[in-house]
Amino acid sequence: RKEVEQDPGPFNVPEGATVAFNCTYSNSASQSFFWYRQDCRKEPKLLMSVYSSGNEDGRFTAQLNRASQYISLLIRDSKLSDSATYLCVVNKGYSSASKIIFGSGTRLSIRP
Amino acid sequence: GAGVSQSPRYKVAKRGQDVALRCDPISGHVSLFWYQQALGQGPEFLTYFQNEAQLDKSGLPSDRFFAERPEGSVSTLKIQRTQQEDSAVYLCASGGTENTEAFFGQGTRLTVV
Repeated sequence: RKEVEQDPGPFNVPEGATVAFNCTYSNSASQSFFWYRQDCRKEPKLLMSVYSSGNEDGRFTAQLNRASQYISLLIRDSKLSDSATYLCVVNKGYSSASKIIFGSGTRLSIRP
Repeated sequence: GAGVSQSPRYKVAKRGQDVALRCDPISGHVSLFWYQQALGQGPEFLTYFQNEAQLDKSGLPSDRFFAERPEGSVSTLKIQRTQQEDSAVYLCASGGTENTEAFFGQGTRLTVV
């Protein structure tokens, strides 16, 4: 079993739709969580951090459920520019080492 | 520049050739990571440095892969006797402290022919 698992998609939704991705992680000691966005042939870039209380940034909402060890990302009123691969990222951060683990990514395609 | 810089951006190597990929992290960043990303996949962890210390190299796929960061800043990923399955994008990332985000370079696209 991979340490971080995501539904690979692709998700193909119309502009304006709401779409949600989930991600599960296996190490209960993991300390911090992120969603990254990766455009085709580009490097991953931070979309948002994920906090236990849940956090929102415009049309994007991230949630963390430590008990069930999953992270979610909700995108409301999707735009064509949201088309990308979304990577779930877990930072294990144990002792003095910090190992950032990526999921394989969920591909999202927004159609007009 | 202020970001993570990787060179070369593209590298074509003949099978069996040795290659060296360079990463210049953001100045002052303690953590440095190397990842391998195959087409259509997420980045796979290779190795991690904290300053000059290589704290985790569990992701290196074979003993042909070697990474160093001798002065705690620039890092080099070396691949000896390259094979076709080594073809991928190699991403370098740096971060300030534990549990903070990592910033990525644009990657080196390695093609082994």
